Amino acid sequence: EPEVTQTPSHQVTQMGQEVILRCVPISNHLYFYWYRQILGQKVEFLVSFYNNEISEKSEIFDDQFSVERPDGSNFTLKIRSTKLEDSAMYFCASRQGDSPLHFGNGTRLTVT
Amino acid sequence: GQQLNQSPQSMFIQEGEDVSMNCTSSSIFNTWLWYKQDPGEGPVLLIALYKAGELTSNGRLTAQFGITRKDSFLNISASIPSDVGIYFCAVPFTGGGNKLTFGTGTQLKVEL
Repeated sequence: EPEVTQTPSHQVTQMGQEVILRCVPISNHLYFYWYRQILGQKVEFLVSFYNNEISEKSEIFDDQFSVERPDGSNFTLKIRSTKLEDSAMYFCASRQGDSPLHFGNGTRLTVT
Repeated sequence: GQQLNQSPQSMFIQEGEDVSMNCTSSSIFNTWLWYKQDPGEGPVLLIALYKAGELTSNGRLTAQFGITRKDSFLNISASIPSDVGIYFCAVPFTGGGNKLTFGTGTQLKVEL
């Protein structure tokens, strides 16, 4: 079964550094998402992306965050200047049409 | 905002026991989803419910869409060790799209 793949599985960075989290959505999917899960908490929506632009974003997704689809297969989340509170699991998800979301296994981001 | 409360928060059961958990909201929804998250992985869709009163099964799992459209229930029969994980209910954000609000989660631990 096709999967959403995310790299790296674990990223450690120092506060103030930029990080890029990478995702390869399922190939025929057109809608892409990033979600975040702080340790021990629920999964929270960050941003959705369709037709090469952001369709919706949450209040968490501030100016420090950006997303990009640099080519036909990758979907990235960039955090420009990381803060301690950005430490979390970041999940990429994709879907096609009205199908439910398919999630990747996440990238654990640790900001020190 | 949308808030989904899950009960119980965690449960520790014996292998072979049946499990029941629920998810409630103060708002009405037309779709209820149940996801399972294994340790270190992303959420995986278990069951999707689209009609009030609907009862849907997936193997040993059975989920019901509450008649008031404000709640949903998930039952697992004859639990096994691989049922361990966190179970999340989820609903689409108000206003449509496929962004999801996740519940607070029920952590299931199975004792051999």
